[in-house]
Amino acid sequence: GESVGLHLPTLSVQEGDNSIINCAYSNSASDYFIWYKQESGKGPQFIIDIRSNMDKRQGQRVTVLLNKTVKHLSLQIAATQPGDSAVYFCAPSRDGNNRLAFGKGNQVVVIP
Amino acid sequence: EAGVAQSPRYKIIEKRQSVAFWCNPISGHATLYWYQQILGQGPKLLIQFQNNGVVDDSQLPKDRFSAERLKGVDSTLKIQPAKLEDSAVYLCASSLLAGVDTDTQYFGPGTRLTVL
Repeated sequence: GESVGLHLPTLSVQEGDNSIINCAYSNSASDYFIWYKQESGKGPQFIIDIRSNMDKRQGQRVTVLLNKTVKHLSLQIAATQPGDSAVYFCAPSRDGNNRLAFGKGNQVVVIP
Repeated sequence: EAGVAQSPRYKIIEKRQSVAFWCNPISGHATLYWYQQILGQGPKLLIQFQNNGVVDDSQLPKDRFSAERLKGVDSTLKIQPAKLEDSAVYLCASSLLAGVDTDTQYFGPGTRLTVL
């Protein structure tokens, strides 16, 4: 089955600094990747997505980088704010029917 | 635009009892998903509907779990009988299109189930 892992289980970052969350995936057939943010007591919230024909995509304060050669993607958050404290999931597509494979997630703690 | 609605938000039952969860997807969304999220883990897909048909229920424990999406809109997920290991958050998500592999899924707030 799909193996999705995150390198750091918890990331503590000072408010105002940049955050980088890494994600490795195993299914080379994955062609669509989504980052979700989940705050305590809430459902996952879409942050940004990227398709396999791109290697970088930028949103508001966030950038996703995709390296298909090594099956790795990262989420960069610029000027991290207290509201960014959450669990972040990368979810590669499992197959061609919009099924996503979620890993365990990576906790980000922003220190004021 | 209203998001995905779920009810109840919390439910506590004893093992061997039955429970049902309700989901109302975003208006016009063809595809609906039910996920189970155990504490400390990522969501795991239980079942995926396109309109009122099942696309994938390979990870649904069919001996105790059932789901339906009558009329292709609202959906219910039922557990009968519940086991202790069913304690989890049950998330509903929906996406606009059917059969598209790059369609964003939008999640509801979830129902937190505790089985005692």
